[in-house]
Amino acid sequence: QVQLVESGGGVVQPGRSLRLSCAASGFTFSSYGMHWVRQAPGKGLEWVAVMSYDGSNKYYADSVKGRFTISRDNSKNALFLEVNGLRAEDTAVYYCARSPLCSSASCPYYFDFWGQGTLVTVSS
Amino acid sequence: QSVLTQPPSVSGAPGQRVTLSCTGSSSNIGAAYDVHWYQQLPGTAPKLLIYGNNNRPSGVPDRFSGSKSGTSASLAITGLQAEDEADYYCQSYDSSLSGWVFGGGTKLTVL
Repeated sequence: QVQLVESGGGVVQPGRSLRLSCAASGFTFSSYGMHWVRQAPGKGLEWVAVMSYDGSNKYYADSVKGRFTISRDNSKNALFLEVNGLRAEDTAVYYCARSPLCSSASCPYYFDFWGQGTLVTVSS
Repeated sequence: QSVLTQPPSVSGAPGQRVTLSCTGSSSNIGAAYDVHWYQQLPGTAPKLLIYGNNNRPSGVPDRFSGSKSGTSASLAITGLQAEDEADYYCQSYDSSLSGWVFGGGTKLTVL
């Protein structure tokens, strides 16, 4: 079965960096686009970034552009999010989520499987 | 402030039918991008509930159904059960933002 397991969260001071990881199993990781979505405590969901199946395309939400970097290692079935210049408003649970397979015509714009999340707390 | 607008809360008695709304604009739902719904039970990760406006993934009961019209969408839940108590999020894609967008979520309380 599909499994996504995030790690790397923790308490970090403002301005510092962190690298989040997502270990994937139960599917052909190299065939799927992958996303990061975050949720601040008691708040709603916010899309953060996406990377295409082969790593050739990546897009970011305006709120993190220039500070966060998404990457992947298909040989290790792993997705990463490098988060730099952390701010208090980046405090959230960070989920990795899978995008369904694209057809020849288009790619679905939703998330079919989610990990359990990793909590990042930015505090001095 | 979320790009898609959802009512903060809705409630219903067991066995009743409730409808959750999701309102967007001409750059997302109105631009023919599909609407998808997620259920988030307390303390857990979101789970896909409805995709492509009105399709249920395997394992989702047919008590859950979705619809879309114009710049809005709805999630209907019939035969309300205690285990349906959760937060529900709608989601689409926005061409102006070039990104995936969510509603603020609706907390469903089963009375």
